[in-house]
Amino acid sequence: DQQVKQNSPSLSVQEGRISILNCDYTNSMFDYFLWYKKYPAEGPTFLISISSIKDKNEDGRFTVFLNKSAKHLSLHIVPSQPGDSAVYFCAASDNAGNMLTFGGGTRLMVKP
Amino acid sequence: EAGVAQSPRYKIIEKRQSVAFWCNPISGHATLYWYQQILGQGPKLLIQFQNNGVVDDSQLPKDRFSAERLKGVDSTLKIQPAKLEDSAVYLCASSRDRGSYEQYFGPGTRLTVT
Repeated sequence: DQQVKQNSPSLSVQEGRISILNCDYTNSMFDYFLWYKKYPAEGPTFLISISSIKDKNEDGRFTVFLNKSAKHLSLHIVPSQPGDSAVYFCAASDNAGNMLTFGGGTRLMVKP
Repeated sequence: EAGVAQSPRYKIIEKRQSVAFWCNPISGHATLYWYQQILGQGPKLLIQFQNNGVVDDSQLPKDRFSAERLKGVDSTLKIQPAKLEDSAVYLCASSRDRGSYEQYFGPGTRLTVT
């Protein structure tokens, strides 16, 4: 039973355009959401997060949107750069000990 | 600030052998996590420590996996005996405390069981 799903295994975008990565969840107890970025042979690194009391959080080129009624969140990267090419994981926590449940990841390829 | 250290980076063993992974978290981080990441999937939590105590090990296959964090700093994860399906990347992460959502990951150990 996958509680966090990233339905697009891969996404290809042209440099300078917007990248939109999507994530859906089923557990209504989740109240904090994070995005991690992972390069090959490295561990995931934290990118941006959002609390369930907000619907948007912005950090430079990265913006996360949360739609609680739809149990859906998305990560927008504008403008996309070749260095953004990586696997992006969505993760969620229910505040019960901060255990993170991860999605399966989306591989983003930004073409020059 | 040094990151989370893990060793070895790669390990190849035969099924039914045993293997151990080591993790050194970021200095001062009280909470430590071990994750298993199978190819094409997201990381799955195996065990969470707060200092040297276990907070959650509900997803640890206890018949073959064990983990310890004796002095509340370094941690080891052991598999004995290994099965083919244990082939994965084992990630260690740490956070300042249980109230911190942000976790910092090490580079992982890639285990191949043949």
